[in-house]
Amino acid sequence: DIQMTQSPSSLSASVGDRVTITCRASQDIRNYLAWFQQKPGKAPKSLIYDASTLQSGVPSKFSGSGSGTDFTLTISSLQPEDFATYYCQQHHHYPLTFGGGTKVEIK
Amino acid sequence: EVQLLESGGGLVQPGGSLRLSCAASGFAFTNYVMTWVRQSPGKGLEWVSSISDSGDSPHYADSVKGRFTISRDNSRSTLYLQMNTLRAEDTAVYYCARQDRFEFWGQGTLVTVSS
Repeated sequence: DIQMTQSPSSLSASVGDRVTITCRASQDIRNYLAWFQQKPGKAPKSLIYDASTLQSGVPSKFSGSGSGTDFTLTISSLQPEDFATYYCQQHHHYPLTFGGGTKVEIK
Repeated sequence: EVQLLESGGGLVQPGGSLRLSCAASGFAFTNYVMTWVRQSPGKGLEWVSSISDSGDSPHYADSVKGRFTISRDNSRSTLYLQMNTLRAEDTAVYYCARQDRFEFWGQGTLVTVSS
């Protein structure tokens, strides 16, 4: 199985900060990597697919990069509505696997 | 508008069974791979199972293999998850999702396995 290691597991940041979350796959997944945002009590929301393609309607402050085994999600200027938990997911091979999540909290 | 609506969750005793449903609308259901993902209380997301557009190629997480069965009725635009021999660790919110870009998710249905 492909393991997805996300870091950090949590971070505190201020409104306006630039935030970067990393995700490392245990083997090459090409660009079959998605990023999700989840708020308490809500379903996950897709932000990015194919490692760097912004989902329709997602603001451009979100960006994704990487291929192979190393990936990043960047939020260029954190806003109050961005405080949430973020997950990466590989869909190159079954079983599909998620990272452990990164909780972004207000400093 | 794409909609996915799960139902069938509830409280069940260990060893019991439940069948979840996911009613899809707003898109050509028969053209898409569909997926179940779950989230235990306070935990992260866990992929459970996926099924091909035709329904003849299911995949399962090891944690549910042999106990859960995914299926679909394309004539009814509905995805199912038959869950047997349920365990306490199956307690979770279960989401269905369209797998092409994971753009569309249901609101989730809570399954609680407890005596």
